[in-house]
Parts: sequence; structure tokens; C-alpha cells
Amino acid sequence: RKEVEQDPGPFNVPEGATVAFNCTYSNSASQSFFWYRQDCRKEPKLLMSVYSSGNEDGRFTAQLNRASQYISLLIRDSKLSDSATYLCVVNMRNQGGKLIFGQGTELSVKP
Amino acid sequence: SAVISQKPSRDICQRGTSLTIQCQVDSQVTMMFWYRQQPGQSLTLIATANQGSEATYESGFVIDKFPISRPNLTFSTLTVSNMSPEDSSIYLCSVEFLLRDRDQETQYFGPGTRLLVL
Repeated sequence: RKEVEQDPGPFNVPEGATVAFNCTYSNSASQSFFWYRQDCRKEPKLLMSVYSSGNEDGRFTAQLNRASQYISLLIRDSKLSDSATYLCVVNMRNQGGKLIFGQGTELSVKP
Repeated sequence: SAVISQKPSRDICQRGTSLTIQCQVDSQVTMMFWYRQQPGQSLTLIATANQGSEATYESGFVIDKFPISRPNLTFSTLTVSNMSPEDSSIYLCSVEFLLRDRDQETQYFGPGTRLLVL
């Protein structure tokens, strides 16, 4: 079993749609959680952290459920510019700050 | 945040040769990392570049194949030795930074080096 697993993609949605990505992690010792965005042929960039209390940044909402070892990202009112691959990332602080990446979910927002 | 640059941005190499990739950061950082992203795949950590000591390699990666230098707190190099077509990949360096609002560490990435081995 992979340490971090994400929904298989690609997700093809129309502009204005709401889309949700799910992610599960296997190591209960995982301590910090993030969503990164990677555009085609670019490096990953931090989108947002994920907290147990849930956090929102504009159209983006991230949620963490430690009991279920489950992370989610909700994008409301999708824009064409949201098209990218979204990476679920877990920080293993007890392993020297190692980041474990999910395989990524590709999102394509169409006009 | 930090500004990270990598050289070269891309290269095409012959099998059996070696390529050294440079990573430069605009501020001093304690932790630097090297990752590989193979076509269609996510990122895999190669090693942690430790300043003043030998790098710490992940399972499946060895120093003879991927020697790493970290001479100071702003610079590191990764060498891909004795290359084969299977080494064709994107190689990325990253640095750890602290998200102060929640006391969490995560990483910024350099732009990557695209390597094609023929």
C-alpha cells in the first residue's frame, strides 16, 4: 500500500463547477499535511496547509480527519487557471522533515 | 519564502556520462533535499543534503550513483553518474522553511532540471 494515496484522475470539469479531491495516508505518525499544485513542466508550489480544524483560502477549502487518516481539498467556482495537478503531501517530522507525495490528481477545467 | 535556482535547466546527455546539477538559494537554509520526478510520476526523495557531513540517502539511492555536495548553507550539487536512459527525469532541489502561523515545516522547490539520457 502506498503511503499517500489520491483519487485517480483526470478530473474534467466545466468552469464554475465545484470539485473535491480526496487523499488517504497510511502512517499515523504523520504530523503535517499540505496540498501542492504543480503546473505542467513546472515545479510543485505550496497551495495550502491542512489543519484538523479545516482551513479556507478563497475558493479553496482543506480538511483533515486524523482518525480516518483522510485529507480533502474542495475547489469552488472552478476557473480555467485552476487546471493543474494537485499533490497531497505529508510531512514526516519524525523522519527529518521528509515529505511524502501522493501520485497527484490532474484537474482540467474547460470553458 | 526563498528564491531557488537550478543549473542547468535542461540537458541531453549520452549514456555512461555524468551530469552535475547545481542548486543555489538566496538565503541560508539548514535543510536541503534532492528529488526525482520521472515522467508521469510524483516526486521521490533521493537524499537530504547535510551541510558539513555526508548526505542521507533514501532506500534505493546510493552515493556512488548520486553523489551530493553541500559546501555551505546556500548551495548544493547533485551528480547523476554513469547515466543510462532510465535516469531520464526531472531533478528538483528543495529547501525547508517554517510556516510561522502554525509552526509547521514544509518545502519550497527549485524550478527543476530536465534530463534526457540517450
